[in-house]
Amino acid sequence: GQQLNQSPQSMFIQEGEDVSMNCTSSSIFNTWLWYKQDPGEGPVLLIALYKAGELTSNGRLTAQFGITRKDSFLNISASIPSDVGIYFCAGPSGGYQKVTFGIGTKLQVIP
Amino acid sequence: NAGVTQTPKFRILKIGQSMTLQCAQDMNHNYMYWYRQDPGMGLKLIYYSVGAGITDKGEVPNGYNVSRSTTEDFPLRLELAAPSQTSVYFCASSYNLGYEQYFGPGTRLTVT
Repeated sequence: GQQLNQSPQSMFIQEGEDVSMNCTSSSIFNTWLWYKQDPGEGPVLLIALYKAGELTSNGRLTAQFGITRKDSFLNISASIPSDVGIYFCAGPSGGYQKVTFGIGTKLQVIP
Repeated sequence: NAGVTQTPKFRILKIGQSMTLQCAQDMNHNYMYWYRQDPGMGLKLIYYSVGAGITDKGEVPNGYNVSRSTTEDFPLRLELAAPSQTSVYFCASSYNLGYEQYFGPGTRLTVT
């Protein structure tokens, strides 16, 4: 099946710093999704990307759909304590009905 | 809208016991999903449904069963619980394509 590799797997950053994380796929995707999971909660969709090269922002978050269609990037600017959580990338698998999730990037913000 | 609701929030089972995890959504979504999340392993799809009366297996269906008699409800049944089923279980739903999924708060299950 499809495999998604996320890096880094975890990171500690100082409040106010910018954060970058990425996700690569073993196959071409036509959609990339980024979810965030707060501790003890279910994941919440942050950004959906539907076109190669697309750059989409949601507040301090910016995600890009890589030109090769095998990767995607998520940047967080000026991090704050509530950015703490696990960030998952996801892409479609088995047609349009399902998605495959990466193992996540765990972000910790030091005040 | 309550969104996606799951019950119970926590449960401890003994090996060999059975239970049903409940999931309901009030958004009139066609697609519903069950995932399990193990530490450091991301989300693995157990079963999914594209509409009432239609279900299909995901990546890790063994030891589980589902039914979808209504649009709103998608219960997950564990028969003969095993320690390997200790996990956090999430239910999700989606309106059209399966991409933009709304997740419930999860059920934390321990089998001892």
